[in-house]
Amino acid sequence: DTAVSQTPKYLVTQMGNDKSIKCEQNLGHDTMYWYKQDSKKFLKIMFSYNNKELIINETVPNRFSPKSPDKAHLNLHINSLELGDSAVYFCASSLQVYSYEQYFGPGTRLTVT
Amino acid sequence: AQSVTQLGSHVSVSEGALVLLRCNYSSSVPPYLFWYVQYPNQGLQLLLKYTTGATLVKGINGFEAEFKKSETSFHLTKPSAHMSDAAEYFCAVTTGNAGNMLTFGGGTRLMVKP
Repeated sequence: DTAVSQTPKYLVTQMGNDKSIKCEQNLGHDTMYWYKQDSKKFLKIMFSYNNKELIINETVPNRFSPKSPDKAHLNLHINSLELGDSAVYFCASSLQVYSYEQYFGPGTRLTVT
Repeated sequence: AQSVTQLGSHVSVSEGALVLLRCNYSSSVPPYLFWYVQYPNQGLQLLLKYTTGATLVKGINGFEAEFKKSETSFHLTKPSAHMSDAAEYFCAVTTGNAGNMLTFGGGTRLMVKP
């Protein structure tokens, strides 16, 4: 069973489009995260949700809007895509907000042309 | 604020040789430290972690790391490299504050020569 899953695995789209990436975890965790990995492999936190409530927003442009319909899902919606949004986006989860171990999904490679 | 520096973006070793990947951190409060491995086109897998207690921690695949507070280091080692160890390795730190945000180092690509 996949613990943290993301769809799609690959996403190719044009500038200006709106797209969503979905994340689901079946671990029963309360806390979920989105990270961005750029072309130089640098990983940076974007958002963190605890039990459907936003607890971290790391100065991400407001074109990015996370949505958590329930604590097992954290989706990422991106409006008006730009070339610089091209990256690999990773979803992660942890048991609780103060549980330090995070489990990562396989990533979604977004390419904006 | 917390930060992580990984010395050496690329490390090359021969199969059977010692693996040493360096990680130094900066944190104003006691840190919790992690090493993750990323194989090509895959997600991140936790190798090992230090939270409290014993400063020498053992992880999967024969890796271990030692937390040295005086040196603010958490270097990753493996006595004998295997071809399957070739991957990208990330050191990360959190203090448990600020929503358990993980701060990653820039990564080290480990190459293993036959």
